[in-house]
Amino acid sequence: NAGVTQTPKFQVLKTGQSMTLQCAQDMNHNSMYWYRQDPGMGLRLIYYSASEGTTDKGEVPNGYNVSRLNKREFSLRLESAAPSQTSVYFCASSGTRDSPLHFGNGTRLTVT
Amino acid sequence: QKEVEQDPGPLSVPEGAIVSLNCTYSNSAFQYFMWYRQYSRKGPELLMYTYSSGNKEDGRFTAQVDKSSKYISLFIRDSQPSDSATYLCAMTNRDDKIIFGKGTRLHILP
Repeated sequence: NAGVTQTPKFQVLKTGQSMTLQCAQDMNHNSMYWYRQDPGMGLRLIYYSASEGTTDKGEVPNGYNVSRLNKREFSLRLESAAPSQTSVYFCASSGTRDSPLHFGNGTRLTVT
Repeated sequence: QKEVEQDPGPLSVPEGAIVSLNCTYSNSAFQYFMWYRQYSRKGPELLMYTYSSGNKEDGRFTAQVDKSSKYISLFIRDSQPSDSATYLCAMTNRDDKIIFGKGTRLHILP
């Protein structure tokens, strides 16, 4: 049972490049989330999807877009990467909005 | 006042000691309380999940919620070097997003 799978694990981008972070869950969860984690800042919610077909902004959505491709998959896109987006990105899923989150192991992104 | 406050540590204790980790919060609507453990270069993993006030025990771990004081605790008995990690508290009410503390780094010294 894989749980939440994120790809890639590591990525280095130059300023202005674009990329998509992929996330898939096999727990038949309705809700999926994207967080970033920075030293001293904790986990900050970027976007979430309460159910298939819906997405909503979180605390720090600027510079990001998301797609809930189907119930299993939720991708995060950086259209024009900036050094301020250097971070560790975590995808998570939950059965309902007040259920505990299950996290992937993260994507470590560096923007130079 | 931040919604959830958690001392970042680091907290260093000798192996075998009892560890106490704490969070305070300001939103009295929170009903569901969680503790996550995060090892270096890994995602957070759920340790404990409790609803409303009281205690919940799971092996060496005990979660305690005091809603009147807006205070939650995680106790680790007989601490082991493998317990060295960052511990994040988290909480939510039924209708809103989960709010995380910033995490406490714990070191168990052999």
